[in-house]
Amino acid sequence: EIVLTQSPGTLSLSPGERATLSCRASQSVNNRYLAWYQQKPGQAPRLLIYDASTRATGIPDRFSGSGSGTDFTLTISRLEPEDFAVYYCQQYGSLTFTFGPGTKVDIK
Amino acid sequence: QVQLVESGGGVVQPGRSLRLSCAASGFTFSTYAMHWVRQTPGKGLEWVALISHLGNNQYYADSVKGRFTISRDSSKNMVYLEMNSLRLEDTAVYYCARDIRPWGIRPCFDYWGQGTLVTVSS
Repeated sequence: EIVLTQSPGTLSLSPGERATLSCRASQSVNNRYLAWYQQKPGQAPRLLIYDASTRATGIPDRFSGSGSGTDFTLTISRLEPEDFAVYYCQQYGSLTFTFGPGTKVDIK
Repeated sequence: QVQLVESGGGVVQPGRSLRLSCAASGFTFSTYAMHWVRQTPGKGLEWVALISHLGNNQYYADSVKGRFTISRDSSKNMVYLEMNSLRLEDTAVYYCARDIRPWGIRPCFDYWGQGTLVTVSS
């Protein structure tokens, strides 16, 4: 099983700042099959990025993903008030499909 | 618009059974694989089970293999999760989710239901 580690655990930033979230895998993720989700309290996760760098339908271009192998990054270029949430990475390159523990982006 | 609506959650004793349902609408149901994903405060998000678009292939997380069964009824646009021999650690919010890839399997999830809470407690 591929274990995903996310850092930092919490990121405290102000609106308008840039957010850089990291996701590290315990072994290489096949075909860059890595996704990022956003979750707000009381809501289901929302897909932001899949295949490491492809934005899902309707996702603003301030969200971008990069990386390959074992190291992946989600970047939010300028934080909007609605972006403060928890972000999870997920790999689907091999069974069993696993999620990271999440990074909380909160308001500084 | 795509909608997934789960039902069937509740409080159940350890060792008992429960069946979750997911009603799908707003898309061609028979062309997409479907999944169940669960979430707990302690363990976070965990993929549970997958059924292919035709229903002829199912895959399970090791933690539920042999106890849970995923199925689908394309005539009703429904997905089910039959959960047997429930354990305390199965307590979670269970989400139904759609695979992003039509006609195949690429297990990231572009649409999710609102979730249904299953509590296993004596």
